[in-house]
Amino acid sequence: DAKTTQPTSMDCAEGRAANLPCNHSTISGNEYVYWYRQIHSQGPQYIIHGLKNNETNEMASLIITEDRKSSTLILPHATLRDTAVYYCIVRRRRGSNYKLTFGKGTLLTVNP
Amino acid sequence: DVKVTQSSRYLVKRTGEKVFLECVQDMDHENMFWYRQDPGLGLRLIYFSYDVKMKEKGDIPEGYSVSREKKERFSLILESASTNQTSMYLCASGLAGASEQYFGPGTRLTVT
Repeated sequence: DAKTTQPTSMDCAEGRAANLPCNHSTISGNEYVYWYRQIHSQGPQYIIHGLKNNETNEMASLIITEDRKSSTLILPHATLRDTAVYYCIVRRRRGSNYKLTFGKGTLLTVNP
Repeated sequence: DVKVTQSSRYLVKRTGEKVFLECVQDMDHENMFWYRQDPGLGLRLIYFSYDVKMKEKGDIPEGYSVSREKKERFSLILESASTNQTSMYLCASGLAGASEQYFGPGTRLTVT
């Protein structure tokens, strides 16, 4: 799986958009960008994934640059419950290696 | 919504006891996983199963065994609990061939 780089921490005001960046300059053509988050003392939660087009679901939007070397997860209206560690992972979608490996991620703190 | 449930949120056991952790998913997923998560060590795969009665070792299978008699249920067994198995145990499930994994809430096991 390609290496990713994320900021250690970020703050966001409640009700504002949270934009979480991720760099993955060594991504290869068949690798997807995945985002998970982990709220304190809970299991990780899958958020969204994408290959090259922007993606949106009920939780978030994922913007991938044209060269695919970086991406941004957007939480459009952050709430206090969005405070969590956010993990960006780059991996093939189908393959025999199913193991998920999280890096250190970004601790997003949403402030009232 | 995918639902992955784990039998206990918190568990305290004594050294040498046999411990059963159970995980149930309701989305007919082929793949199921057991991880443990420790501060500074991240997520580590113990075992995974890609079908009923099928299992493969992950990175740290020593001291653990698993059982998958039904598609929806995946059990982790600590044959003789030791203090170094004190950890957060996370179960996850996913579709065959896909990288998205859906996690349960976790079981915080303390072995005294």
